[in-house]
Order: sequence, then C-alpha cells, then structure tokens
Amino acid sequence: NAGVTQTPKFRVLKTGQSMTLLCAQDMNHEYMYWYRQDPGMGLRLIHYSVGEGTTAKGEVPDGYNVSRLKKQNFLLGLESAAPSQTSVYFCASATGGTSYEQYFGPGTRLTVT
Amino acid sequence: GENVEQHPSTLSVQEGDSAVIKCTYSDSASNYFPWYKQELGKGPQLIIDIRSNVGEKKDQRIAVTLNKTAKHFSLHITETQPEDSAVYFCAAKGGNTPLVFGKGTRLSVIA
Repeated sequence: NAGVTQTPKFRVLKTGQSMTLLCAQDMNHEYMYWYRQDPGMGLRLIHYSVGEGTTAKGEVPDGYNVSRLKKQNFLLGLESAAPSQTSVYFCASATGGTSYEQYFGPGTRLTVT
Repeated sequence: GENVEQHPSTLSVQEGDSAVIKCTYSDSASNYFPWYKQELGKGPQLIIDIRSNVGEKKDQRIAVTLNKTAKHFSLHITETQPEDSAVYFCAAKGGNTPLVFGKGTRLSVIA
C-alpha cells in the first residue's frame, strides 16, 4: 500500500515551459487536493476534486489546470511556467464524507528559472 | 471565506518542557480543527483533530483545546522530545468548504 505518490520529485523548468505533475493514490479515496507550500505562507490550496471527473478551484488557482479522469489520479498542469510558480507542491487525498483526514504525498520541488 | 491565524511562527523549547501553539479562525461555521506535523522533506501528517462538539482532546503527550466562543484553538505538547522538532500546521473547516491552513509554526526542541 503506497499511499499517495507524486511524480516527479524534483523539476527545473525555464519560464514559459509547460509540465504536468502526477499524483496517484491507492486508498480508493474520493477527494484529492493540490497545494503549494512557500516559505512563511503555509499550505495554499490550488485545486481540488471531490470525485472522478470533477474539479474545483481553491485559493490560488491562476496559472494551473487540473484533471481527474481516473479516481486514483489527479494531474496538475502548468501551461506556461513563471518564476512565481517556484514552490513545493503537495498532493493529498481523503476518504470524503465525515472523515476529513488528508493523506499527503512526499511533495514535488519545482524551480522555474 | 475562512481565515486562520497561527502563532508563534517559530518556537524553541528545552527538551522536557511544554510547547503551546495557538490558532484563531474567522468563520463561526467552522466545525473541524486538525493539527498536522511536517517533518523535514516530508508531507504533513495528521497528529490530532477536534470537532466543535468537544472542548478538549488528548492523545498521550499531545492535546488540543477549542474555544468556539472566542474562535481559537491550541495545540499542547508536554514533555517535549527532540523528535517533536518539526513544522506544525493548524487548520479549520466548515461544511462543504475545504480545509484552510495556518502559516505554520517551526518547533525546535533543544536537547
């Protein structure tokens, strides 16, 4: 049981390049989330999904897109990377319903130069 | 929307002493208040949570207290150990809205 995994672990992009971060969970969770973590800013929600085929905007969605085509996967896309998107990105999943505990992946460190 | 303030941003304690981290929230509809611990290079992990129908909850050396009238909740760690050194996040959630996290507290336990 791997829990929540994220691919890749590290990435360096040039301004304007695009990339996709992959999150996978093997716990059959309904809910999935993408956060970014910046020094002194805590965890800020980018987008989330409450089930396969659904997505919703979080606190800081601009510049990102997401897709949840399969229940176990949640993809985060950067269409045209900017230096302001340099951050550590965390994916999380949760059962949903009355259980609110979120299980986090190990993170992806992204640098945009 | 919900706004969660967390204090202090850094905290240093001697091993064996207690540590207290405080959070305030703005939305009176919030009814779920978890605390997450993030060790270096890892994702956050839930350590304890409390719901609005409970005033205090304990789990061994950690406890959380909630004051709904004042809209604040606190994490208490007793008999701190070096392995308690980490970043701690509080969060709040109400209804169908997502969790909102505080900015975090870096706790250092000095041996």
